[in-house]
Amino acid sequence: EDQVTQSPEALRLQEGESSSLNCSYTVSGLRGLFWYRQDPGKGPEFLFTLYSAGEEKEKERLKATLTKKESFLHITAPKPEDSATYLCAVQAYTNDYKLSFGAGTTVTVRA
Amino acid sequence: DVKVTQSSRYLVKRTGEKVFLECVQDMDHENMFWYRQDPGLGLRLIYFSYDVKMKEKGDIPEGYSVSREKKERFSLILESASTNQTSMYLCATQQSGREKLFFGSGTQLSVL
Repeated sequence: EDQVTQSPEALRLQEGESSSLNCSYTVSGLRGLFWYRQDPGKGPEFLFTLYSAGEEKEKERLKATLTKKESFLHITAPKPEDSATYLCAVQAYTNDYKLSFGAGTTVTVRA
Repeated sequence: DVKVTQSSRYLVKRTGEKVFLECVQDMDHENMFWYRQDPGLGLRLIYFSYDVKMKEKGDIPEGYSVSREKKERFSLILESASTNQTSMYLCATQQSGREKLFFGSGTQLSVL
């Protein structure tokens, strides 16, 4: 069974204080790893898809990286508007539809 | 962009009631999903549908059923609501052959 573990559960940062979120996974043949952002009271919003070890994707202050066992979401010089819950999910080659999600990391950035 | 609309933002029901959660999408996506989200557990897949009248069980289908009579509409049914079904319910769509999911805003269901 596919498993996704995110750490830490919660992260409190000062504005401008860079940090990283971790997503460890076990999957039988990774088709893709996904990062989503979820604001309170809203559904998750897609950020990135990573397909192979060594791949990196960037969007504004966010950078996602992938190894064979884990993915990191780096937040560089965060601003209060980066406060959200960040979700990681994996999809296996054996399943065309299903994404398995981690429990998320809630990031709070203080001004 | 894709719009996924869930009929209710908040819903309060009594134990034993039959509950319908509706989801409508406007982008002609083939695949539709129902997830529930609980603190510390993440999103768990209840059911998904890859075509009209087609459905597949997810990880936690017990106590739920679904209906997809039209391509744009996917309904989740709680036949007899129980307190352990209190949760945030999220509908999502996906274009066939693509992995990216588009989510609705969710329905926070409380069963008393």
